[in-house]
Amino acid sequence: DAGVIQSPRHEVTEMGQEVTLRCKPISGHNSLFWYRQTMMRGLELLIYFNNNVPIDDSGMPEDRFSAKMPNASFSTLKIQPSEPRDSAVYFCASSPSGVNNQPQHFGDGTRLSIL
Amino acid sequence: ILNVEQSPQSLHVQEGDSTNFTCSFPSSNFYALHWYRWETAKSPEALFVMTLNGDEKKKGRISATLNTKEGYSYLYIKGSQPEDSATYLCAFGAAGNKLTFGGGTRVLVKP
Repeated sequence: DAGVIQSPRHEVTEMGQEVTLRCKPISGHNSLFWYRQTMMRGLELLIYFNNNVPIDDSGMPEDRFSAKMPNASFSTLKIQPSEPRDSAVYFCASSPSGVNNQPQHFGDGTRLSIL
Repeated sequence: ILNVEQSPQSLHVQEGDSTNFTCSFPSSNFYALHWYRWETAKSPEALFVMTLNGDEKKKGRISATLNTKEGYSYLYIKGSQPEDSATYLCAFGAAGNKLTFGGGTRVLVKP
């Protein structure tokens, strides 16, 4: 079975550029989560979707960050303009249903470096 | 802001020894407690999801217990092996679909 697929695996770009991270959840999963992992703050939730609808975006750090889920099999996290402090590993995860008694399945992450 | 604390932050254990560590979480509005295993350069992998006070779950040499009234969960590793070296994350879920993760306990098993 294919797991959660994220692309790219690594991204290095210059400050000010637009960055787009992509995620394909596990087929049949109704919930999708975007996380950011840093040394200082650990694993923090940025936003999550149920049935393609954004439910909670309170973790999105600022207006430079946006996320979309146009259909059940694809989501993007965009940073525009990017800044060096956005450098982190970004994980996408999906789970079968909209309640948290189901485990989350994580992708391999995108390691983002903003120079 | 929900407070999910894990202790210790890191521990070393000799191969063959058993160990355990703690996750503490709010005792109110509890819905689920998750444990994940996170190996270096990989992604977190679900170990257990527990929902009932007194739950005990087991997967091979790893087991977990849950006390929702006092707000803690223990993870146990019996007869530690080098392949058990990883960061173990707990995550608290209130009603809804949002998890709050602890900072993790980093376990290093020495041969």
